[in-house]
Amino acid sequence: AQKVTQAQTEISVVEKEDVTLDCVYETRDTTYYLFWYKQPPSGELVFLIRRNSFDEQNEISGRYSWNFQKSTSSFNFTITASQVVDSAVYFCALSARYNQGGKLIFGQGTELSVKP
Amino acid sequence: GAVVSQHPSRVICKSGTSVKIECRSLDFQATTMFWYRQFPKKSLMLMATSNEGSKATYEQGVEKDKFLINHASLTLSTLTVTSAHPEDSSFYICSARGVSGRARADEQFFGPGTRLTVL
Repeated sequence: AQKVTQAQTEISVVEKEDVTLDCVYETRDTTYYLFWYKQPPSGELVFLIRRNSFDEQNEISGRYSWNFQKSTSSFNFTITASQVVDSAVYFCALSARYNQGGKLIFGQGTELSVKP
Repeated sequence: GAVVSQHPSRVICKSGTSVKIECRSLDFQATTMFWYRQFPKKSLMLMATSNEGSKATYEQGVEKDKFLINHASLTLSTLTVTSAHPEDSSFYICSARGVSGRARADEQFFGPGTRLTVL
């Protein structure tokens, strides 16, 4: 069975603070993909990153960075110097056999509120 | 980038009526489309997987007679909520996967969602 757990339901920070969103996953598959999506109040999902299980390199994209650790089955997301525009719900997702039509399993989401 | 549209973006209907939601891939062909449902403050729950030209595969607990899915072409899938009731009120999101071997192959792109309110 596959499962994604985002233990933090809500996080509130003040602008310019760094914040880390946790994601822990479970799967028996050796090949899988992990994702992060942002859902602003408008509701539309915004793709942030896709990572396959064979690539444990951390990634940085501007103020965003991701830490993938297979040993702890975690794929955490850090926003550096947060801004008000970062306020949204963030979802971590998992897909096994993604390239063969594997479906996405979403975590519960973390609602991030960045206050000025 | 690949664009997926949904129509309508928002719909309000009376209890007992049926509502059709369209999901279109605008600039690529999609063999597979997924339909998700999201309650307020909740996660996305996969309802069904729709493959062009064949019957949809529903997730456990989803009533196939209640939520009719048709994927008649490589660019269009529809979800019909039949005899809608207030508990069907939700945010419905579709996603589309490109055809293997072609542009947008194996990528999944999400539509903007449809907010359904049943009175």
